[in-house]
Parts: sequence; C-alpha cells; structure tokens
Amino acid sequence: GAGVSQSPSNKVTEKGKDVELRCDPISGHTALYWYRQSLGQGLEFLIYFQGNSAPDKSGLPSDRFSAERTGGSVSTLTIQRTQQEDSAVYLCASSFFDQPQHFGDGTRLSIL
Amino acid sequence: GENVEQHPSTLSVQEGDSAVIKCTYSDSASNYFPWYKQELGKRPQLIIDIRSNVGEKKDQRIAVTLNKTAKHFSLHITETQPEDSAVYFCAHQGGSEKLVFGKGTKLTVNP
Repeated sequence: GAGVSQSPSNKVTEKGKDVELRCDPISGHTALYWYRQSLGQGLEFLIYFQGNSAPDKSGLPSDRFSAERTGGSVSTLTIQRTQQEDSAVYLCASSFFDQPQHFGDGTRLSIL
Repeated sequence: GENVEQHPSTLSVQEGDSAVIKCTYSDSASNYFPWYKQELGKRPQLIIDIRSNVGEKKDQRIAVTLNKTAKHFSLHITETQPEDSAVYFCAHQGGSEKLVFGKGTKLTVNP
C-alpha cells in the first residue's frame, strides 16, 4: 500500500508568513509523529498523536507551532509568523500503535 | 532522562571492513530500540530494531546488540559496501511512547 505522504515537498516563504504542512499517514496507522531536521542535524521530536488521546506537544519549540489531526488520519502542522530559524525539513511518521515508525519524504521549508 | 548519545559522529571504513556505531541512553523504561538509515536527501528508513526482551538480533550483514544493564546498544555492519554509506540514527522509545533520536553517524565506505 501507499506510504506516508507529505505535501508540499518544498515550500519557500517570506519571514512573517504562516505556513501549513500536510501529512497523510499510512492507512490504519493509529499514531502520527512530526519531527524537524535541520541541515546535517538529527531528528527533533515536535508532536505525537495516538488515536483519540490528547496529543503529546512537549516538543513544539514555541507557541507559533501547532498541529491537528482530523478524523484520526490526516495531520496539519502550522507555523505562524515564520522566522528564518524555522527553515528545516519537517518529517512526518506514522505507526500502528507501538510498531515501527515509517517516515514520509518530508517538506523542505525555506524562510527568506 | 530521555536523551541518547551516539558515537562516533563520523566513521570512515574501507569496503569489506566492519562498522560499529554505539548509543547510550539513560531512561530505564526504554524498551524499543530502532536504527534508521538516511541517505542524502531521502527519508529515514528503518533497517533493524530490537526490543528489550532480546539481547541481539541479526539480519544478514546487520546486527544490533542491547545491554540493558549498561543502557547501551550498538549497530554492527559487516562486509561493508559503498551503498552502506549514509547517516545512521539510533533511537529509543520508553514510557512516553515517542522516539528519541541520537544525533546521527555519517558512515562513509571507501571502495
């Protein structure tokens, strides 16, 4: 079946604008994760959704970042009033409960 | 309590040699330890994982060992090939259910 799908694959925007990044997980997967990867760096956890439970938002770096997951499937990560340090690749992953996570190709975000 | 330290940050080996990457964690509740391979510009891909009830797992040229007492786990790649060149990330998952990743090891296999 289809893997984790993310859109857009690339996004260039001006500082101060809001952006929305989309993640479509593997069908049937209960858990969905967002990570951020800066150039040449590791994976920084942002937020985690599991079923109908309250999301774990402990990794969100500021209140400009928010995410939602509608209907237990598609998720949107929103960054308001973007800043240059937000430039990174944003990766989404999904899993079935505590089974291995599968990653999407990511969205490369560039803030001018 | 959730951090994981990964060493070395870079590793260069000759084709055919073995490569070993080590990770140390501190969360005693951690019970799942995956390893991901990320080629340049591509998504991380799971290559092997181990759960805390097992000390070693092998898949062809790749093996992972886990020492829960010492809180460290290692990735072993034997008979390395140029296509093994990539960044490798260890991770662990504990009671919070989120994966905590190491900072990565850039492996270069020289032909």
